[in-house]
Amino acid sequence: GENVEQHPSTLSVQEGDSAVIKCTYSDSASNYFPWYKQELGKGPQLIIDIRSNVGEKKDQRIAVTLNKTAKHFSLHITETQPEDSAVYFCAASSMNAGGTSYGKLTFGQGTILTVHP
Amino acid sequence: KAGVTQTPRYLIKTRGQQVTLSCSPISGHRSVSWYQQTPGQGLQFLFEYFSETQRNKGNFPGRFSGRQFSNSRSEMNVSTLELGDSALYLCASSFRTANTEAFFGQGTRLTVV
Repeated sequence: GENVEQHPSTLSVQEGDSAVIKCTYSDSASNYFPWYKQELGKGPQLIIDIRSNVGEKKDQRIAVTLNKTAKHFSLHITETQPEDSAVYFCAASSMNAGGTSYGKLTFGQGTILTVHP
Repeated sequence: KAGVTQTPRYLIKTRGQQVTLSCSPISGHRSVSWYQQTPGQGLQFLFEYFSETQRNKGNFPGRFSGRQFSNSRSEMNVSTLELGDSALYLCASSFRTANTEAFFGQGTRLTVV
């Protein structure tokens, strides 16, 4: 099955700096890669996603890049703010033998991002 | 538009008991997935339902089961609770089936004592 590795496990930056979180996946059939932000006491919130036919996607201060050949994808946050502090998870769709994922996402272990004012 | 609603938010149960958790998806969403989140194992997929049918299942014992109703609301049940079942149980809903945006609820925190 799919395996997703996420690094780093913790990341500390100063306000205004950029933050980069990287993930690798094992199943070349995976074709959907969302990123989630989870704040204390809340469920994961979808912040951006990318599909395998796209190399990069941006949404204001957040961008995601995908390298299908190397099977890795990254989250880039620019001009970080204290409210960006949270746990970030990458995920990859996990395909079954029929070529569909039917709701199954395999998650990385998470990155605790701390933005210092 | 209301988000995904999970009830109850917190539960404390004793070993050996059973528990039922509820999830109401976003209006119009027909796919509901369940995940278990623990500090040691992270987020792990339990199962997915679409139109009252379970279409995908993770690697959990048969004590974990679920169902979906005609209005897309879903329940999951854990029987013969073990201490290791203590976790945050999350439900996610999607509009279509595979590889589309999944939106999570706030979860149900289950503590087994």
